[in-house]
Amino acid sequence: KNEVEQSPQNLTAQEGEFITINCSYSVGISALHWLQQHPGGGIVSLFMLSSGKKKHGRLIATINIQEKHSSLHITASHPRDSAVYICAVLQGAQKLVFGQGTRLTINP
Amino acid sequence: DAGVIQSPRHEVTEMGQEVTLRCKPISGHDYLFWYRQTMMRGLELLIYFNNNVPIDDSGMPEDRFSAKMPNASFSTLKIQPSEPRDSAVYFCASSSNRAYGYTFGSGTRLTVV
Repeated sequence: KNEVEQSPQNLTAQEGEFITINCSYSVGISALHWLQQHPGGGIVSLFMLSSGKKKHGRLIATINIQEKHSSLHITASHPRDSAVYICAVLQGAQKLVFGQGTRLTINP
Repeated sequence: DAGVIQSPRHEVTEMGQEVTLRCKPISGHDYLFWYRQTMMRGLELLIYFNNNVPIDDSGMPEDRFSAKMPNASFSTLKIQPSEPRDSAVYFCASSSNRAYGYTFGSGTRLTVV
């Protein structure tokens, strides 16, 4: 079993829908990252959080440390949100352990 | 700031050849990371440096892989000799403080034939 599990692996939705991607982890962490990778490969760090909730534009990330679970939400989804979203947990000082990613496709 | 700069963007080489990947971190960042991404294994940490000193190289797959950081503005990842199974996208990232997250480079797509 992977230390970081994401669900779903693939998600297709219509423009405007509310999107939720989930991440569960089985190890102790100091923080959790949500990353976005567009076709062509560039990786962008969307959020780093260790408790509670963060919001940036239409993106919201939450984490429940007791339940070892985090969610990434996208409101009013748009085709430009189509990308792979990767959950990564920070272990110890700087070691990141990655989930396998969720491939999101938003159709117009 | 131009962000984390990696070169080359693409590299195609023959098995057995030496390959050198380069990375320039963001100025002022004191952590530098090398990651590898494959379809089978996803993203994996190879090695990271703090203040130019290698801290954890447990992810380096074999002795064929080596990384250096001679100064705060430059790092290399070298594979010698290269093998087809080394084909992957190699990312460099830097950070200054965990609270500010990571900045990734655009990656180097390596193909070993």
